[in-house]
Amino acid sequence: EVQLLESGGGLVQPGGSLRLSCAASGFTFSNSAMNWVRQAPGKGLEWVSAISGDGDSTYYADSVKGRFTISRDNSKNTLFLQIDSLGAEDTAVYYCAKSGCSGDTCYSRFWGQGTLVTVSS
Amino acid sequence: DIQMTQSPSTLSASVGDRVTITCRASQSISSWLAWYQQKPGKAPKLLIYEASSLESGVPSRFSGSGSGTEFTLTISSLQPDDFATYYCLQYNSYSETFGQGTKVEIK
Repeated sequence: EVQLLESGGGLVQPGGSLRLSCAASGFTFSNSAMNWVRQAPGKGLEWVSAISGDGDSTYYADSVKGRFTISRDNSKNTLFLQIDSLGAEDTAVYYCAKSGCSGDTCYSRFWGQGTLVTVSS
Repeated sequence: DIQMTQSPSTLSASVGDRVTITCRASQSISSWLAWYQQKPGKAPKLLIYEASSLESGVPSRFSGSGSGTEFTLTISSLQPDDFATYYCLQYNSYSETFGQGTKVEIK
């Protein structure tokens, strides 16, 4: 059974940083592309970032490019999202998701339960 | 970037009704479209991928259709467990885009 467990969220001041983690189990982690998706309170879903199974390819939404960094440690079956220069607009639940792919075309198939990031002074 | 326009934003329906939700892409995305269901406080759940492929374990009353720029999600007979918010997702490009969501409410 695929399991994804996010951690690292919390209250952070504007301009601060956080590192989110997603511990994966139940599948061969290094073979799977992964995503981060966020949802601001009461709002819709927003894709944030994606990374290939080997970590060599990364992709970002324009809204976070230059501030967020996605990475992975395949030896520890863990996905990361480093988020810097946080602003109020980054307040959201952050979900990690395992991709399902047809060739190189991937979508979020299995989701974790999310971790809440609150940016406030 | 590809924009997704989802309609309606809210839908009031009764148990047993046939329900249709539409997503329109700003440019062709072939069949690279997925549909998700989300309930309050929960993570989204994949229903449909590649526009019309039913995810394993999802009831057959859910179906998807379309290609290019126009897509629909149909629930053939709405059940009490189906009252939720539904999102489409285009994954044609490396910058994925969700629709704004459709809340299905009890009439």
